[in-house]
Amino acid sequence: EAQVTQNPRYLITVTGKKLTVTCSQNMNHEYMSWYRQDPGLGLRQIYYSMNVEVTDKGDVPEGYKVSRKEKRNFPLILESPSPNQTSLYFCASSLRYPGLSSSYNSPLHFGNGTRLTVT
Amino acid sequence: DAKTTQPPSMDCAEGRAANLPCNHSTISGNEYVYWYRQIHSQGPQYIIHGLKNNETNEMASLIITEDRKSSTLILPHATLRDTAVYYCIVLREVTFGTGTKLQVIP
Repeated sequence: EAQVTQNPRYLITVTGKKLTVTCSQNMNHEYMSWYRQDPGLGLRQIYYSMNVEVTDKGDVPEGYKVSRKEKRNFPLILESPSPNQTSLYFCASSLRYPGLSSSYNSPLHFGNGTRLTVT
Repeated sequence: DAKTTQPPSMDCAEGRAANLPCNHSTISGNEYVYWYRQIHSQGPQYIIHGLKNNETNEMASLIITEDRKSSTLILPHATLRDTAVYYCIVLREVTFGTGTKLQVIP
Protein backbone atom coordinates (compact mmCIF):
# COMPACT_ATOMS: atom_id res chain seq x y z
CA GLU A 1 0.00 0.00 0.00
CA ALA A 2 1.27 3.43 -0.98
CA GLN A 3 1.80 5.46 2.14
CA VAL A 4 3.78 7.99 4.13
CA THR A 5 4.75 6.64 7.54
CA GLN A 6 5.69 8.85 10.46
CA ASN A 7 7.01 7.71 13.81
CA PRO A 8 6.27 8.11 16.59
CA ARG A 9 2.60 9.14 16.65
CA TYR A 10 2.94 10.71 20.08
CA LEU A 11 6.04 12.00 21.83
CA ILE A 12 6.49 13.75 25.17
CA THR A 13 9.94 15.06 25.94
CA VAL A 14 11.75 17.66 27.99
CA THR A 15 13.42 20.87 26.96
CA GLY A 16 16.83 20.38 25.41
CA LYS A 17 16.69 16.64 24.82
CA LYS A 18 17.47 15.94 21.17
CA LEU A 19 14.84 14.02 19.24
CA THR A 20 14.18 12.76 15.74
CA VAL A 21 10.82 12.20 14.05
CA THR A 22 11.11 9.77 11.19
CA CYS A 23 9.27 9.93 7.87
CA SER A 24 9.35 7.30 5.16
CA GLN A 25 7.47 6.95 1.87
CA ASN A 26 7.24 3.92 -0.40
CA MET A 27 6.13 5.67 -3.59
CA ASN A 28 9.55 6.67 -4.96
CA HIS A 29 8.57 10.33 -4.60
CA GLU A 30 11.16 13.00 -5.25
CA TYR A 31 9.57 15.73 -3.12
CA MET A 32 9.16 15.52 0.65
CA SER A 33 8.17 18.15 3.17
CA TRP A 34 7.54 18.76 6.87
CA TYR A 35 4.74 20.88 8.30
CA ARG A 36 3.66 21.91 11.74
CA GLN A 37 0.07 22.66 12.65
CA ASP A 38 -0.94 24.91 15.50
CA PRO A 39 -4.44 26.11 16.43
CA GLY A 40 -5.52 29.06 14.30
CA LEU A 41 -2.37 29.02 12.18
CA GLY A 42 -3.05 26.32 9.60
CA LEU A 43 -0.23 24.17 8.29
CA ARG A 44 3.12 25.89 8.05
CA GLN A 45 5.99 24.44 6.11
CA ILE A 46 9.20 23.79 8.06
CA TYR A 47 11.59 22.29 5.51
CA TYR A 48 11.27 20.59 2.18
CA SER A 49 13.41 18.47 -0.11
CA MET A 50 13.18 18.34 -3.86
CA ASN A 51 15.36 15.25 -4.11
CA VAL A 52 18.18 13.35 -2.43
CA GLU A 53 20.72 15.69 -0.82
CA VAL A 54 18.61 18.74 -1.77
CA THR A 55 16.84 20.46 1.12
CA ASP A 56 15.59 23.99 1.71
CA LYS A 57 13.90 26.07 4.36
CA GLY A 58 10.18 26.60 4.47
CA ASP A 59 8.32 29.27 6.39
CA VAL A 60 9.28 28.27 9.94
CA PRO A 61 12.67 26.46 9.90
CA GLU A 62 14.15 27.84 13.13
CA GLY A 63 15.02 25.14 15.64
CA TYR A 64 14.74 22.27 13.14
CA LYS A 65 17.08 20.28 10.94
CA VAL A 66 16.42 17.76 8.20
CA SER A 67 18.41 15.40 6.03
CA ARG A 68 17.70 13.53 2.80
CA LYS A 69 20.32 10.85 2.38
CA GLU A 70 17.93 8.40 0.76
CA LYS A 71 14.95 9.06 -1.44
CA ARG A 72 12.47 7.33 0.85
CA ASN A 73 13.44 8.92 4.19
CA PHE A 74 13.22 12.50 5.42
CA PRO A 75 13.76 12.73 9.19
CA LEU A 76 13.00 15.86 11.18
CA ILE A 77 15.55 16.62 13.89
CA LEU A 78 15.07 18.87 16.89
CA GLU A 79 18.55 19.36 18.36
CA SER A 80 17.35 21.21 21.46
CA PRO A 81 13.57 21.16 21.67
CA SER A 82 11.76 24.00 23.40
CA PRO A 83 8.14 24.28 24.60
CA ASN A 84 7.23 26.50 21.62
CA GLN A 85 7.87 23.48 19.39
CA THR A 86 4.95 21.67 20.98
CA SER A 87 2.78 21.02 17.96
CA LEU A 88 1.26 18.52 15.56
CA TYR A 89 3.73 17.62 12.82
CA PHE A 90 3.02 16.21 9.38
CA CYS A 91 5.30 14.78 6.76
CA ALA A 92 4.19 14.83 3.12
CA SER A 93 5.50 13.65 -0.21
CA SER A 94 4.68 14.00 -3.88
CA LEU A 95 6.07 12.66 -7.12
CA ARG A 96 7.74 15.97 -7.93
CA TYR A 97 7.98 19.43 -6.44
CA PRO A 98 4.36 20.62 -6.48
CA GLY A 99 5.31 24.17 -7.40
CA LEU A 100 6.35 23.24 -10.91
CA SER A 101 3.67 23.81 -13.53
CA SER A 102 4.56 20.45 -15.01
CA SER A 103 3.75 18.77 -11.71
CA TYR A 104 0.02 19.15 -12.11
CA ASN A 105 -0.56 15.52 -11.37
CA SER A 106 1.46 15.45 -8.17
CA PRO A 107 -0.85 15.80 -5.21
CA LEU A 108 0.67 15.69 -1.76
CA HIS A 109 0.39 12.52 0.31
CA PHE A 110 0.45 13.08 4.05
CA GLY A 111 1.44 10.94 6.99
CA ASN A 112 -0.83 10.48 9.99
CA GLY A 113 0.97 13.05 12.10
CA THR A 114 3.18 13.19 15.18
CA ARG A 115 1.92 15.00 18.23
CA LEU A 116 4.92 16.40 20.08
CA THR A 117 4.81 17.86 23.58
CA VAL A 118 7.91 19.57 24.98
CA THR A 119 7.78 20.32 28.70
CA ASP B 1 2.81 34.59 -5.06
CA ALA B 2 -0.80 33.50 -5.27
CA LYS B 3 -2.71 33.25 -2.01
CA THR B 4 -6.12 31.86 -1.27
CA THR B 5 -9.01 33.13 0.84
CA GLN B 6 -11.72 30.88 2.25
CA PRO B 7 -14.59 31.44 4.69
CA PRO B 8 -13.64 30.14 8.13
CA SER B 9 -16.72 27.97 8.55
CA MET B 10 -19.85 26.67 6.85
CA ASP B 11 -22.77 24.42 7.71
CA CYS B 12 -24.51 22.03 5.36
CA ALA B 13 -27.52 19.76 5.87
CA GLU B 14 -26.87 16.09 5.42
CA GLY B 15 -27.79 14.93 1.90
CA ARG B 16 -27.58 18.41 0.43
CA ALA B 17 -24.80 19.75 -1.76
CA ALA B 18 -21.98 21.51 0.01
CA ASN B 19 -20.48 24.37 -1.99
CA LEU B 20 -17.17 25.61 -0.62
CA PRO B 21 -15.80 28.79 -2.20
CA CYS B 22 -12.19 29.86 -2.58
CA ASN B 23 -10.75 33.11 -3.81
CA HIS B 24 -7.36 33.06 -5.55
CA SER B 25 -7.39 36.37 -7.36
CA THR B 26 -3.60 36.55 -7.80
CA ILE B 27 -3.22 33.11 -9.34
CA SER B 28 -0.95 33.00 -12.38
CA GLY B 29 -1.67 31.31 -15.66
CA ASN B 30 0.07 28.00 -15.03
CA GLU B 31 -0.78 27.49 -11.38
CA TYR B 32 -3.13 24.68 -10.44
CA VAL B 33 -5.71 24.84 -7.68
CA TYR B 34 -5.74 21.87 -5.31
CA TRP B 35 -8.27 20.94 -2.66
CA TYR B 36 -7.54 18.87 0.42
CA ARG B 37 -9.50 18.06 3.53
CA GLN B 38 -8.46 17.22 7.07
CA ILE B 39 -10.69 15.17 9.34
CA HIS B 40 -10.00 15.82 13.03
CA SER B 41 -6.21 15.82 13.39
CA GLN B 42 -5.47 13.28 10.67
CA GLY B 43 -3.15 14.06 7.78
CA PRO B 44 -4.77 16.14 5.03
CA GLN B 45 -6.31 14.08 2.23
CA TYR B 46 -6.17 15.05 -1.43
CA ILE B 47 -9.59 15.63 -3.03
CA ILE B 48 -9.27 17.16 -6.48
CA HIS B 49 -7.31 19.67 -8.54
CA GLY B 50 -7.74 21.74 -11.70
CA LEU B 51 -6.26 24.40 -13.93
CA LYS B 52 -9.05 26.02 -15.92
CA ASN B 53 -11.62 23.39 -16.80
CA ASN B 54 -14.19 22.02 -14.41
CA GLU B 55 -13.20 18.70 -12.93
CA THR B 56 -15.11 15.84 -11.36
CA ASN B 57 -14.03 12.68 -9.60
CA GLU B 58 -15.61 10.17 -7.25
CA MET B 59 -15.26 12.53 -4.29
CA ALA B 60 -16.22 15.95 -5.59
CA SER B 61 -16.53 18.46 -8.41
CA LEU B 62 -14.40 21.53 -8.91
CA ILE B 63 -15.75 24.59 -10.68
CA ILE B 64 -13.19 27.21 -11.69
CA THR B 65 -14.35 30.59 -12.95
CA GLU B 66 -13.34 31.64 -16.44
CA ASP B 67 -10.98 34.31 -15.10
CA ARG B 68 -9.54 31.68 -12.69
CA LYS B 69 -9.78 34.09 -9.77
CA SER B 70 -12.03 31.83 -7.76
CA SER B 71 -13.22 28.26 -7.53
CA THR B 72 -15.88 26.20 -5.78
CA LEU B 73 -15.57 22.71 -4.42
CA ILE B 74 -18.86 20.84 -4.58
CA LEU B 75 -19.67 17.80 -2.47
CA PRO B 76 -22.89 16.71 -4.19
CA HIS B 77 -24.51 14.83 -1.31
CA ALA B 78 -22.80 15.70 1.94
CA THR B 79 -22.68 13.07 4.67
CA LEU B 80 -21.68 13.35 8.30
CA ARG B 81 -18.31 11.86 7.36
CA ASP B 82 -17.64 14.93 5.20
CA THR B 83 -17.36 17.08 8.33
CA ALA B 84 -13.78 18.33 8.09
CA VAL B 85 -11.58 21.32 7.40
CA TYR B 86 -11.25 21.94 3.66
CA TYR B 87 -8.16 23.60 2.24
CA CYS B 88 -7.89 25.31 -1.12
CA ILE B 89 -4.27 25.89 -2.11
CA VAL B 90 -2.23 27.00 -5.04
CA LEU B 91 0.60 24.56 -5.00
CA ARG B 92 3.33 26.86 -6.14
CA GLU B 93 3.24 28.13 -2.57
CA VAL B 94 2.83 24.71 -1.00
CA THR B 95 1.41 26.34 2.09
CA PHE B 96 -1.92 25.76 3.72
CA GLY B 97 -4.01 28.48 5.31
CA THR B 98 -6.66 27.83 7.92
CA GLY B 99 -9.23 26.49 5.45
CA THR B 100 -13.01 26.20 5.83
CA LYS B 101 -14.43 24.15 8.65
CA LEU B 102 -17.44 22.36 7.16
CA GLN B 103 -19.98 21.03 9.61
CA VAL B 104 -22.52 18.61 8.11
CA ILE B 105 -25.69 18.68 10.18
CA PRO B 106 -28.04 15.68 10.48
